[in-house]
Amino acid sequence: DVKVTQSSRYLVKRTGEKVFLECVQDMDHENMFWYRQDPGLGLRLIYFSYDVKMKEKGDIPEGYSVSREKKERFSLILESASTNQTSMYLCASSFHGTVRSYTFGSGTRLTVV
Amino acid sequence: AQSVAQPEDQVNVAEGNPLTVKCTYSVSGNPYLFWYVQYPNRGLQFLLKYITGDNLVKGSYGFEAEFNKSQTSFHLKKPSALVSDSALYFCACALDSNYQLIWGAGTKLIIKP
Repeated sequence: DVKVTQSSRYLVKRTGEKVFLECVQDMDHENMFWYRQDPGLGLRLIYFSYDVKMKEKGDIPEGYSVSREKKERFSLILESASTNQTSMYLCASSFHGTVRSYTFGSGTRLTVV
Repeated sequence: AQSVAQPEDQVNVAEGNPLTVKCTYSVSGNPYLFWYVQYPNRGLQFLLKYITGDNLVKGSYGFEAEFNKSQTSFHLKKPSALVSDSALYFCACALDSNYQLIWGAGTKLIIKP
């Protein structure tokens, strides 16, 4: 069964902490995405990557960075967590070059206190 | 600006009745349209997509959607609702030149026994 795995389902972090959210896919997908999901706002794209060591800003990159050192792994980094970054974070992946459906991870619910 | 609209925050349907979840899009170029479903505390799951061809698309769990170019709509339908269909539904659109998805805000579907 193909999978996108997010390392944590729930996280609680303190304001100012550096936070790492990890995402691993086993489908050999080129594209990987990080979204945050907030009630009434739908999914907002933070960053995406279409190849190893490549990254592109999405709609709301401020306060975040990403790393993609290997094809299967895409990490989201909150450099200094703030309470307004409390949210559900979703990782997704897809093949490149054609319009294919995304495969999503189960999400990480991050609370910053 | 390119956008996807889901005009209803919530849809309530009695079990056994037909259901419709509405989606309209505003994009330039040829749209590729998707529906995803999200069950509580889970990631999104792909339901169906329209790329080209027959305007009526059939997908998972008995759902179908109709592409209407003149009305720029892609409404999700099911002839007979189940309580287990209760979830959050997202419509999304990709452009023929870009694999990124533009997301609607989501519609909460509640099926009452």
